[in-house]
Amino acid sequence: EAQVTQNPRYLITVTGKKLTVTCSQNMNHEYMSWYRQDPGLGLRQIYYSMNVEVTDKGDVPEGYKVSRKEKRNFPLILESPSPNQTSLYFCASSMPRQRGAYEQYFGPGTRLTVT
Amino acid sequence: TQLLEQSPQFLSIQEGENLTVYCNSSSVFSSLQWYRQEPGEGPVLLVTVVTGGEVKKLKRLTFQFGDARKDSSLHITAAQPGDTGLYLCAGVARSNDYKLSFGAGTTVTVRA
Repeated sequence: EAQVTQNPRYLITVTGKKLTVTCSQNMNHEYMSWYRQDPGLGLRQIYYSMNVEVTDKGDVPEGYKVSRKEKRNFPLILESPSPNQTSLYFCASSMPRQRGAYEQYFGPGTRLTVT
Repeated sequence: TQLLEQSPQFLSIQEGENLTVYCNSSSVFSSLQWYRQEPGEGPVLLVTVVTGGEVKKLKRLTFQFGDARKDSSLHITAAQPGDTGLYLCAGVARSNDYKLSFGAGTTVTVRA
């Protein structure tokens, strides 16, 4: 089954304790992206990757890191989490088709709480 | 400030009624996408529109891309309870094919 998986689905942590949220896709997609979703703000892009070893900042990259060492995986790293990073996080992947028109497949989400 | 403004923020209607959700921007987009998200799940793509003035139909859902490629609308005819969900529009900026900006979403509730 074609899918994007994220782990963990739920995480409660404390300020400053480094954490990694994993994302994996089995569709051989080139493009992967991380978003956070907050009430009233919709989805905001954190980082995206056009292919292996190619990443770029989205709209809200501060406090986050990513890496793309292999095509299927795109982990999101919070080196020193803070309470304002409490949010619902989504990973997505797609295979770019014509210019600007690519269907994004989203993972099930990771609900992170930082106390 | 959201690059894409969606309205209304909330919409509650009776089964069988029609509804329209709007997505507006001052920016021009290469394409606009509409997603639907249900509680506890990730968004699922409904449609992508790429040509100014384009109209696409998906059963009872009609999507339109503005002539100037700055706005879009989603119209649902004879809404059903299964249409309940959060509807999100997302645009790909002409300046960067890989950056996708989302609107804040419209929560639609269809009462039986």
